[in-house]
Amino acid sequence: GENVEQHPSTLSVQEGDSAVIKCTYSDSASNYFPWYKQELGKRPQLIIDIRSNVGEKKDQRIAVTLNKTAKHFSLHITETQPEDSAVYFCAASNAGNMLTFGGGTRLMVKP
Amino acid sequence: NAGVTQTPKFRVLKTGQSMTLLCAQDMNHEYMYWYRQDPGMGLRLIHYSVGEGTTAKGEVPDGYNVSRLKKQNFLLGLESAAPSQTSVYFCASSSRGGNTEAFFGQGTRLTVV
Repeated sequence: GENVEQHPSTLSVQEGDSAVIKCTYSDSASNYFPWYKQELGKRPQLIIDIRSNVGEKKDQRIAVTLNKTAKHFSLHITETQPEDSAVYFCAASNAGNMLTFGGGTRLMVKP
Repeated sequence: NAGVTQTPKFRVLKTGQSMTLLCAQDMNHEYMYWYRQDPGMGLRLIHYSVGEGTTAKGEVPDGYNVSRLKKQNFLLGLESAAPSQTSVYFCASSSRGGNTEAFFGQGTRLTVV
């Protein structure tokens, strides 16, 4: 089955700096890669996703890049703000019934 | 529009007790999932359903059972709770499976003592 590795497990940045979270996946058939944000005590919510026919996608201050050859994808957050502090999860799916999640990254943005 | 609702939000069980967690969605989604969330291990899939009357095993199904008698409801059962089942449980639903956005419930924090 699919295996998704996520790094780093914790990330601390100063407000205004950029943050990058990286994930690798094992199943070359995977073609859908979403990112979820989970604030403390809340439910995970989708913030951005990318499909295998696209190399990069942006939505305001967040962007995701995908390298299918290397089987890795990354989340980039620019101009970080305190409200970006949360746990971020990457995931991968091969168009089947299941999403496989990474272990999560706790992002702390210091004012 | 409530989305995905889980009942209860908190529960404490003694080892060996049984309980059922209820998940309800009002988005007419075909797919429903049960995950458990443990520190540093992300979200691991327990069981899932691709439609009313169907269930299938995920990554960590042992010690759990599920049922999907109605399209809008997905029940997760623990027949004999163990301390290793202490976790936060999330239900989710999606319209077309793993390739589309999953909508999560608010979670159930279960402690087994």
